[in-house]
Amino acid sequence: AQSVTQLDSQVPVFEEAPVELRCNYSSSVSVYLFWYVQYPNQGLQLLLKYLSGSTLVKSINGFEAEFNKSQTSFHLRKPSVHISDTAEYFCAVSAPGGYNKLIFGAGTRLAVHP
Amino acid sequence: GAGVSQSPSNKVTEKGKDVELRCDPISGHTALYWYRQSLGQGLEFLIYFQGNSAPDKSGLPSDRFSAERTGGSVSTLTIQRTQQEDSAVYLCASSSYGQGNTEAFFGQGTRLTVV
Repeated sequence: AQSVTQLDSQVPVFEEAPVELRCNYSSSVSVYLFWYVQYPNQGLQLLLKYLSGSTLVKSINGFEAEFNKSQTSFHLRKPSVHISDTAEYFCAVSAPGGYNKLIFGAGTRLAVHP
Repeated sequence: GAGVSQSPSNKVTEKGKDVELRCDPISGHTALYWYRQSLGQGLEFLIYFQGNSAPDKSGLPSDRFSAERTGGSVSTLTIQRTQQEDSAVYLCASSSYGQGNTEAFFGQGTRLTVV
């Protein structure tokens, strides 16, 4: 069985500051890792994913996450945030070889202030 | 349609009533998933469909919950004898295959309030 822990329920940050949203997972098998974002009054959207290969993955809007197998982490980072990045961010895992059953963390609410 | 469509977007029902929530997946997507998003429990998996069959129903909280999918397309989640703890946002997602590496596209959800 897999589980996901997002260590921060809320992260306030000023615009143009860097941010890191932490995610740790537990699994007895290798996993795929995902970050989803939920903007206010919108549905969940895939932000980025790690399947295999390079452990550093990037999104089109400047976020990146690094898979660290030894620390079982997949932290999300952005060097300079914008007001428009205000949203809830969910880390999730799924088990390779199976169907796309996503196990989600509790979510981190990122609030970017001017 | 272009995305996953869910209806209704909001539903208020009285305790004890039955409700049906509908999901129209992206055309051609064979895999369909239901999740529940609630304050106390976060995002929980409910059920997975591949075509019209449901190989994994492990997340359904009780026998008051059931779901079906017809024609490999539309899915309905039914909650019988609703309770206040059923209040949540019910999310549907679909993907082109049931593989773990394919992207799941989510609908905007149905917000269910049981009063």
